[in-house]
Amino acid sequence: AQKVTQAQTEISVVEKEDVTLDCVYETRDTTYYLFWYKQPPSGELVFLIRRNSFDEQNEISGRYSWNFQKSTSSFNFTITASQVVDSAVYFCALSPPGGYQKVTFGIGTKLQVIP
Amino acid sequence: DTGVSQDPRHKITKRGQNVTFRCDPISEHNRLYWYRQTLGQGPEFLTYFQNEAQLEKSRLLSDRFSAERPKGSFSTLEIQRTEQGDSAMYLCASSIGGSSGYEQYFGPGTRLTVT
Repeated sequence: AQKVTQAQTEISVVEKEDVTLDCVYETRDTTYYLFWYKQPPSGELVFLIRRNSFDEQNEISGRYSWNFQKSTSSFNFTITASQVVDSAVYFCALSPPGGYQKVTFGIGTKLQVIP
Repeated sequence: DTGVSQDPRHKITKRGQNVTFRCDPISEHNRLYWYRQTLGQGPEFLTYFQNEAQLEKSRLLSDRFSAERPKGSFSTLEIQRTEQGDSAMYLCASSIGGSSGYEQYFGPGTRLTVT
């Protein structure tokens, strides 16, 4: 069985602060994929990143960075110099290998960036 | 706009009525997924199609739920004899095929309210 835990249900930061969203996952698969999605107040889920379990390199995309640590089963997401537009619910997700992807989502972390 | 589209965006129905939702995936995507999302939760997988074949159904999908993708393009999700517990956002997503964990692109969702 697959499980994704996002222990932080809500976080508030002041604009320009850095913030890290935690994600811990459980799976018996040796190969798997991890994702982060953003759900702004408008409601539509927006894909942010996909990570193969074989690739433990950290990734940076503008103000976003991701830290994948297989040893601790974590895939954390950091927003640097947060902006009000970053306010949203962020979901971490996990899918098994193979030809289809039954994605298991975490409960989400609601981020509020205060101006 | 060539993203995933869903219709209707909102549906209010009385308990016991049947409802049908439509999803049009991104045109080159051969995989299509349905999820349900309730307030404060992440999306929960309901079912998945590869082309016109329905390959997996969650146990969340009771006998009152049925999904089709007749020509491997758009899909419909029907709920018969709706119950108040069916009130939720129903999300459709699509992805390309292959053995890798390709990211899913989500539509705006259909919000169902059962009164």
